[in-house]
Amino acid sequence: DQQVKQNSPSLSVQEGRISILNCDYTNSMFDYFLWYKKYPAEGPTFLISISSIKDKNEDGRFTVFLNKSAKHLSLHIVPSQPGDSAVYFCAATVLLRGSARQLTFGSGTQLTVLP
Amino acid sequence: DAGVTQSPTHLIKTRGQQVTLRCSPKSGHDTVSWYQQALGQGPQFIFQYYEEEERQRGNFPDRFSGHQFPNYSSELNVNALLLGDSALYLCASSPGTGIVNEQFFGPGTRLTVL
Repeated sequence: DQQVKQNSPSLSVQEGRISILNCDYTNSMFDYFLWYKKYPAEGPTFLISISSIKDKNEDGRFTVFLNKSAKHLSLHIVPSQPGDSAVYFCAATVLLRGSARQLTFGSGTQLTVLP
Repeated sequence: DAGVTQSPTHLIKTRGQQVTLRCSPKSGHDTVSWYQQALGQGPQFIFQYYEEEERQRGNFPDRFSGHQFPNYSSELNVNALLLGDSALYLCASSPGTGIVNEQFFGPGTRLTVL
């Protein structure tokens, strides 16, 4: 049972335009959401996060939106740059006993930004 | 600071064999988590170590075991390898068990089981 889903395996956008990556989740207990970027031969790197008590978080060119009622979040990249080409993973987490957290990842979306 | 390092980079084993993967956390981090990333999938949580004990475990069989040393480095052991164990194994470290947005990943170990 996939609790975090990224239904678009790939996305291509023109340089300078907006990239929108989508993610859906099923577990209503998730209270914190993250986006990671992964280049080939490297581990995922943290990009941006959002708490379930917020509906928007912005960091430079990156904005994450959370719609709790729809159990949906999205990552907007504006403007998109060729260096943004990578696999983007959506992840979610819930606070476990002992203050521990583990990440549940989606399957990723390959973003290609065309020059 | 070298960040999270993992060894080896690549590994080829045959079915039934045992394998040990190693991870050194980022300086200042005391918690290590292990993930398995199959081809075309996202990373899947295996387990987390803190204070040399397994604190959380994902849905993986007992063939997967681990260890954390006093210097916070960690090992992942997989016994009786199956073809389906072929994957990229990622180690992530963090300053505490609940700090996910400061979780740094290593480049991974690519395990191929023939």
